[in-house]
Amino acid sequence: AQSVAQPEDQVNVAEGNPLTVKCTYSVSGNPYPFWYVQYPNRGLQFLLKYITGDNLVKGSYGFEAEFNKSQTSFHLKKPSALVSDSALYFCAVRDPRYNFNKFYFGSGTKLNVKP
Amino acid sequence: EAGVAQSPRYKIIEKRQSVAFWCNPISGHATLYWYQQILGQGPKLLIQFQNNGVVDDSQLPKDRFSAERLKGVDSTLKIQPAKLEDSAVYLCASSRFGNEQFFGPGTRLTVL
Repeated sequence: AQSVAQPEDQVNVAEGNPLTVKCTYSVSGNPYPFWYVQYPNRGLQFLLKYITGDNLVKGSYGFEAEFNKSQTSFHLKKPSALVSDSALYFCAVRDPRYNFNKFYFGSGTKLNVKP
Repeated sequence: EAGVAQSPRYKIIEKRQSVAFWCNPISGHATLYWYQQILGQGPKLLIQFQNNGVVDDSQLPKDRFSAERLKGVDSTLKIQPAKLEDSAVYLCASSRFGNEQFFGPGTRLTVL
């Protein structure tokens, strides 16, 4: 079965410290991973995605993600966390085997950045 | 460009009543998705349209949920009759093929 795992329900980090939010997946073929962020009472917003090329992808708001094909992981990172980064983060993977967009979502990781 | 529009933003109904949600995707986006997001969980795909055709409705409870996308533009999701466990946020999203999804603000449904 296709799946996306976010092993941490919650990540706590102090402002100014680096952060990592983990994502691993089990999806057939060569899937394309994405990250989305959800602020309270808002819909999900796209952060970044991997397509091809450099394994370190840079996205919005200073976030980046490291694609590791052998470990089927796409961990989200930021060198210096801000309090305003506190939100719910979702990893998603697009299954390329279909001729339409088919996505699988993880269960989400709540990021708490403390001043 | 304008984002994905959804209405209403909030809805409170009693169990066994009916409810409908509306979504207007971003212009030019052929794919439209309806997700159910229960508190503390990730989005669960209910139905996906490619233009005005359904490409995936495998997780749609078809005995009570229905959706349509007339003319391949806006879409309506209906629940009839509602159950307590339908309390959730209903998210609509749209995309071009191969690209990321753009989400609307969602409709928070409370079933009493």
